[in-house]
Amino acid sequence: EIVLTQSPATLSVSPGERATLSCRASESVGVNLAWYQQKPGQAPRLLISGAANRATGIPARFSGSGSGTEFILTISSLQSEDFALYYCQQYKKWPLLSFGPGTKVDIK
Amino acid sequence: QVQLVESGGGVVQPGESLRLSCVVDGFTVRSFAMYWVRQAPGKGLEWVAVIPYDGRNEYYGDSVKGRFTISRDSSKNILFLQMDSLRSEDTATYYCARSHLALYFDSWGQGTLVTVSS
Repeated sequence: EIVLTQSPATLSVSPGERATLSCRASESVGVNLAWYQQKPGQAPRLLISGAANRATGIPARFSGSGSGTEFILTISSLQSEDFALYYCQQYKKWPLLSFGPGTKVDIK
Repeated sequence: QVQLVESGGGVVQPGESLRLSCVVDGFTVRSFAMYWVRQAPGKGLEWVAVIPYDGRNEYYGDSVKGRFTISRDSSKNILFLQMDSLRSEDTATYYCARSHLALYFDSWGQGTLVTVSS
């Protein structure tokens, strides 16, 4: 099983600042990695697939990078609606998909 | 417009059964791999079961294997999850999700809460 770890667990950021979230895989997943955003009481929403490809309708301030075992989700200038939980998910080893434990982005 | 609407959640006692449904609109369930993904209160996401687009060889997470069964009714465009021998650790919000090429999840329902408690 591929284990994903995310850091930090909580990231406190002021509106307008940049947020950098990390996801690390226990073995290489190539670029088979997705990022999701989840707000309280809501379902997750796909942000990024293929490590770097924004999903339809996702603002350009969200960007993904990385390959192999190290991945980054960057939110270039945090808006109020961006304060949420963020999960990474690998799909290298289907059907043994796995999610990271999440990073909470809250208001500093 | 793609829409997934789950129902069937509730409060049950350990050992009991429950069947969840996910009514799909905007696409056909037989054209996509469909998943159930759950989230325990305050916890992360865990995939539970998947039925590939061709309907063959369903797969299950280790924690539910042998107790849960995923199925679909293509004529009604509904996804199901039959949950038997429920345990307290199955308490979670259950989401149905459409999977792009059986890889990542591009559409989700709003979730239905299952509580297993004596």
